[in-house]
Amino acid sequence: KQEVTQIPAALSVPEGENLVLNCSFTDSAIYNLQWFRQDPGKGLTSLLLIQSSQREQTSGRLNASLDKSSGRSTLYIAASQPGDSATYLCAARGDSSYKLIFGSGTRLLVRP
Amino acid sequence: NAGVTQTPKFQVLKTGQSMTLQCAQDMNHEYMSWYRQDPGMGLRLIHYSVGAGITDQGEVPNGYNVSRSTTEDFPLRLLSAAPSQTSVYFCASSYSRGTGNTIYFGEGSWLTVV
Repeated sequence: KQEVTQIPAALSVPEGENLVLNCSFTDSAIYNLQWFRQDPGKGLTSLLLIQSSQREQTSGRLNASLDKSSGRSTLYIAASQPGDSATYLCAARGDSSYKLIFGSGTRLLVRP
Repeated sequence: NAGVTQTPKFQVLKTGQSMTLQCAQDMNHEYMSWYRQDPGMGLRLIHYSVGAGITDQGEVPNGYNVSRSTTEDFPLRLLSAAPSQTSVYFCASSYSRGTGNTIYFGEGSWLTVV
């Protein structure tokens, strides 16, 4: 059974800092891994999707990496801004299943 | 683009009542799913569907029912509401395979069972 873990649960950093959010999964037979952002009281917005054959994806100040062998993905945020404050969730989709299994998220606060 | 539309956004139910959360998507996605989000537990999959007429259970299906009569709609039925079903519910959709299978979420439905 796939389990997805995100550490830390919460993170507070000063504006301008580069930061890394971690996501680990127990079953390496994944189809893809996706990172989402959730603002309070809102739905989830997809940030980056990494297919199992890929090692990383980039969008603006965001870079996500995937290492299937170690069961890890990281989301790198460069030059953080207060507007980046949100909860970030990762989710792994199984290779033989359509199920998307979520981590419990990292709540990020970027202080001005 | 409407994307994924959920209704209602807020609902209060009494224990034992039944109701249906509606979900519709206009992207011709094969895959649709329902999640619930509880504090500190992330999102948990309730039911999902890979096409019209095909549904399957997720991690926490008990107390919920689904059907998929069309590609566009995937309603979630609470058969007899219980306080443990107080949660935020999200509907999501995507293409089932291929590189364009980013998953899209609705805005959520806040349900309170008293």
